[in-house]
Amino acid sequence: EAGVAQSPRYKIIEKRQSVAFWCNPISGHATLYWYQQILGQGPKLLIQFQNNGVVDDSQLPKDRFSAERLKGVDSTLKIQPAKLEDSAVYLCASRTETGEGNEQFFGPGTRLTVL
Amino acid sequence: AQSVTQLGSHVSVSEGALVLLRCNYSSSVPPYLFWYVQYPNQGLQLLLKYTSAATLVKGINGFEAEFKKSETSFHLTKPSAHMSDAAEYFCAVRSTTSNTGKLIFGQGTTLQVKP
Repeated sequence: EAGVAQSPRYKIIEKRQSVAFWCNPISGHATLYWYQQILGQGPKLLIQFQNNGVVDDSQLPKDRFSAERLKGVDSTLKIQPAKLEDSAVYLCASRTETGEGNEQFFGPGTRLTVL
Repeated sequence: AQSVTQLGSHVSVSEGALVLLRCNYSSSVPPYLFWYVQYPNQGLQLLLKYTSAATLVKGINGFEAEFKKSETSFHLTKPSAHMSDAAEYFCAVRSTTSNTGKLIFGQGTTLQVKP
């Protein structure tokens, strides 16, 4: 079974530029998450989708971050314009709806450096 | 509200020694608890999870953790450290009553294994 795919793996941009990340979850997983992991910290949830609907975006900085999952499969996360403090690893995860305590499966992440 | 505290941002052990990584949680409802491992430049991989069945949970790579409700703890142990265990370890909590599956992570513990 293929895992969660993310691209690009690394991205370096100047502040005030725009950037987009892509995630392809595990086939059949209805729930998709985007996390931000700042160096030395644990991942923090940015947004959660169930199919193509947003379940939780309470911690998404909506003035600069946006995300979509139009067909309920792939998802993109965009930052426009980027700030220095956005430097982090952006992790995508997906989860099936069945099973007790069903865990999230994580992709390799995209490491963003904002200069 | 839920939270996770990992005691010790860095733990160093000798190869063959006992590994003990501490995790305490706060939750107003019975929790699901998880330990994830993150190797450099990779995503998070599930080590083990507690889902209200047995309080002693065995995971991959010889790791195990014990859920102690009275101490609100879920410490991760391994009897004998191996060089390949060097990584970042994250404890996470999730509400059993929430349908979002949202994970709250601790800040992580870096495990160093000395030869």
